[in-house]
Amino acid sequence: DTGVSQDPRHKITKRGQNVTFRCDPISEHNRLYWYRQTLGQGPEFLTYFQNEAQLEKSRLLSDRFSAERPKGSFSTLEIQRTEQGDSAMYLCASSLLEGGQETQYFGPGTRLLVL
Amino acid sequence: GQNIDQPTEMTATEGAIVQINCTYQTSGFNGLFWYQQHAGEAPTFLSYNVLDGLEEKGRFSSFLSRSKGYSYLLLKELQMKDSASYLCAVGGNDYKLSFGAGTTVTVRA
Repeated sequence: DTGVSQDPRHKITKRGQNVTFRCDPISEHNRLYWYRQTLGQGPEFLTYFQNEAQLEKSRLLSDRFSAERPKGSFSTLEIQRTEQGDSAMYLCASSLLEGGQETQYFGPGTRLLVL
Repeated sequence: GQNIDQPTEMTATEGAIVQINCTYQTSGFNGLFWYQQHAGEAPTFLSYNVLDGLEEKGRFSSFLSRSKGYSYLLLKELQMKDSASYLCAVGGNDYKLSFGAGTTVTVRA
């Protein structure tokens, strides 16, 4: 399967703990996006990378959130000192920006529950 | 910023046609996308419009009018497996996607 993969698929943690999620994009895709989705809502943009450079972070993203894409391939999203409000589905998407067009393809998501 | 509106729910009968409307106001525009999302799963790409007009892809078609800030997704010959949430998304400045809340389509036998 050459699609976007995410790990883990599910994570249950206690408030105050740190969690880290991984995303492996479609190979040769130069852009990687992180979104958060809560029940009954569409995905909300969190941050994105072009190759290894993080180009933008949403104002939604507090200082407890950090993302990296060290070699321009896989990416990690870390949440420190988790809060119950962090419970959501975290989606990763990748795309190839080419000729002024791109289509984002999503991974299966990591569902986080903070108790 | 982006403001994207779509109906919350729609119900239709197997074999029928359903049209999901989406209106948007954006500060930048790099295309309008439709995604399908089954419960508990990731969104899957359905269609992309960047120029005005109709794009047809099998049973699914999508229409765009940039001057009106309007798009629709047309689902024909509905099947039970089409029961899902349909997300309208606008590619803004730097191609980031802003999503509507989604339209839950229920197909009844």
